[in-house]
Amino acid sequence: LAKTTQPISMDSYEGQEVNITCSHNNIATNDYITWYQQFPSQGPRFIIQGYKTKVTNEVASLFIPADRKSSTLSLPRVSLSDTAVYYCLVGDIRNTGGFKTIFGAGTRLFVKA
Amino acid sequence: DAGVTQSPTHLIKTRGQQVTLRCSPKSGHDTVSWYQQALGQGPQFIFQYYEEEERQRGNFPDRFSGHQFPNYSSELNVNALLLGDSALYLCASSLVPGGSGNTIYFGEGSWLTVV
Repeated sequence: LAKTTQPISMDSYEGQEVNITCSHNNIATNDYITWYQQFPSQGPRFIIQGYKTKVTNEVASLFIPADRKSSTLSLPRVSLSDTAVYYCLVGDIRNTGGFKTIFGAGTRLFVKA
Repeated sequence: DAGVTQSPTHLIKTRGQQVTLRCSPKSGHDTVSWYQQALGQGPQFIFQYYEEEERQRGNFPDRFSGHQFPNYSSELNVNALLLGDSALYLCASSLVPGGSGNTIYFGEGSWLTVV
């Protein structure tokens, strides 16, 4: 099972771009990289998922290098409401429904005014 | 499109009691997984149900059991509650086998406090 390593916490200011990098050296061929956002006392919310190269949606971008041993979640122009814990998950979510995914401790992002 | 719904949102139980938590998956999803999230930690996988059977199980004792109904909804049962069972219990749903865009979606969770 692929284990992930993320920074424990990060600070930023409103309007800045935030990049959170996740290391997953043992990623398997069938594994996808998925990022979730979690606010206190709420369930994790899906942000973005990718397999390789770059994926972009309305809230974030995900950069995955060719060796797929790491990935970077990019949040453009963060606001105070982006203060949350961000989890990087690696697993064959698409075909296993998530049972092989392991949540780490996540990255606690603090956005300051 | 209804997302994953869980009930109750909060409950308090006494040590030794039993608790049942309920989950309705996102519309169109047929697989339900349960996670336990202790304060300050990431969610831990408990088990997964598909076609009304437990398919995969994490490192949790037999006190944790579940059920999936024909309409894909699910229950999590915990017997002989311990103080350490106090946590946020998350239900997640997905569609297995997956395809393009498949991922797991979480409910808002049920907060269980054991006193």
